[in-house]
Amino acid sequence: AQSVTQLGSHVSVSEGALVLLRCNYSSSVPPYLFWYVQYPNQGLQLLLKYTSAATLVKGINGFEAEFKKSETSFHLTKPSAHMSDAAEYFCAVSEWQGGSEKLVFGKGTKLTVNP
Amino acid sequence: EAGVTQFPSHSVIEKGQTVTLRCDPISGHDNLYWYRRVMGKEIKFLLHFVKESKQDESGMPNNRFLAERTGGTYSTLKVQPAELEDSGVYFCASSQVVAATDTQYFGPGTRLTVL
Repeated sequence: AQSVTQLGSHVSVSEGALVLLRCNYSSSVPPYLFWYVQYPNQGLQLLLKYTSAATLVKGINGFEAEFKKSETSFHLTKPSAHMSDAAEYFCAVSEWQGGSEKLVFGKGTKLTVNP
Repeated sequence: EAGVTQFPSHSVIEKGQTVTLRCDPISGHDNLYWYRRVMGKEIKFLLHFVKESKQDESGMPNNRFLAERTGGTYSTLKVQPAELEDSGVYFCASSQVVAATDTQYFGPGTRLTVL
């Protein structure tokens, strides 16, 4: 079964600083990987997804993630944090079983952006 | 286009009572998923409908949980009788096709508190 590990349940950065949220996965097959974001009082919104095309994936709001097979990682980055980036971020891997697809999530990382 | 909606947004019930959660997927989406996040833990898959059929219910915790999707439109998730450990946020998601390249769109969730 696939699994996802997000290092750091809380990350704090200053406004304008680099954002780096770590995600490592375990998968027996080539994975499809996702980053979702949950802003306060809202649902999960897809930031970006990797589906075996380019290893550097660009998403919304200036975020990007790089798939590194050798490191089994899919870290999320943004060059310059904005206050509006404060949210909880979830890394997920797609798991197929019996004709059904489900997402397997990490525990999430709460990002705080300090002025 | 309306997104995935869930009702209610919050529910507080006593142990032993019954609660029914509702999810309205994006119009035209045949696939509907239920996930749950217990406090401090990861978001976990509960089940997957394709139209009105249960494709995968491997994540349902026990027989106190009953999910239905009559007519292949909205879905309900009933918990009867509720236990303390059922507290958490229940998310619904929908997608157009079953494919890892397709996106699951999430609703805002229902926060269930069992006292």
